[in-house]
Amino acid sequence: QKEVEQNSGPLSVPEGAIASLNCTYSDRVSQSFFWYRQYSGKSPELIMSIYSNGDKEDGRFTAQLNKASQYVSLLIRDSQPSDSATYLCAVNMGDYKLSFGAGTTVTVRA
Amino acid sequence: DAEITQSPRHKITETGRQVTLACHQTWNHNNMFWYRQDLGHGLRLIHYSYGVQDTNKGEVSDGYSVSRSNTEDLPLTLESAASSQTSVYFCASSEGGTGELFFGEGSRLTVL
Repeated sequence: QKEVEQNSGPLSVPEGAIASLNCTYSDRVSQSFFWYRQYSGKSPELIMSIYSNGDKEDGRFTAQLNKASQYVSLLIRDSQPSDSATYLCAVNMGDYKLSFGAGTTVTVRA
Repeated sequence: DAEITQSPRHKITETGRQVTLACHQTWNHNNMFWYRQDLGHGLRLIHYSYGVQDTNKGEVSDGYSVSRSNTEDLPLTLESAASSQTSVYFCASSEGGTGELFFGEGSRLTVL
């Protein structure tokens, strides 16, 4: 079983809709969780971090964490064509090392 | 502004040759990492370092080595390049705490 699993996608949503991305992880002691966005041919950039159970909102992005279920999600509200990218879920497995999921590619249709 | 730079950005080499990918960061971060990214596998950790003279193996370290002689640099060496090492390589750094990573622009390596 992989340490971090994401819904494989690709995910296609119309402009203005909500894109929902899911991620599960295997290590119960993980304490830090991140969502990175990666445009084609570019490097990953951090868009959200979450450390406590519940929701964290930043602009059009909301991260949700449920440690009991070992589940973290990302919602993108009012999706824009500029949100078209691959989204990587990352989990801190201890000692500052991050383990990444394979990514979910999102396409926002104009 | 602080940054992390990789070179070369693109390289084509032949099987069996030694290749070194450079990574230089001006964040003054103690932690540095090398990942490779392949379709369907996401980012996989190759080697990492928590400071000068410290190096550690990641999940896919076979065929790779690193050295850390100063805070700013963590070069990645492929001792004898293999076609299976064709990939995009990302260097990243972080400063303790939660582990938030800052990435370089990536180096695309093709081994023929």
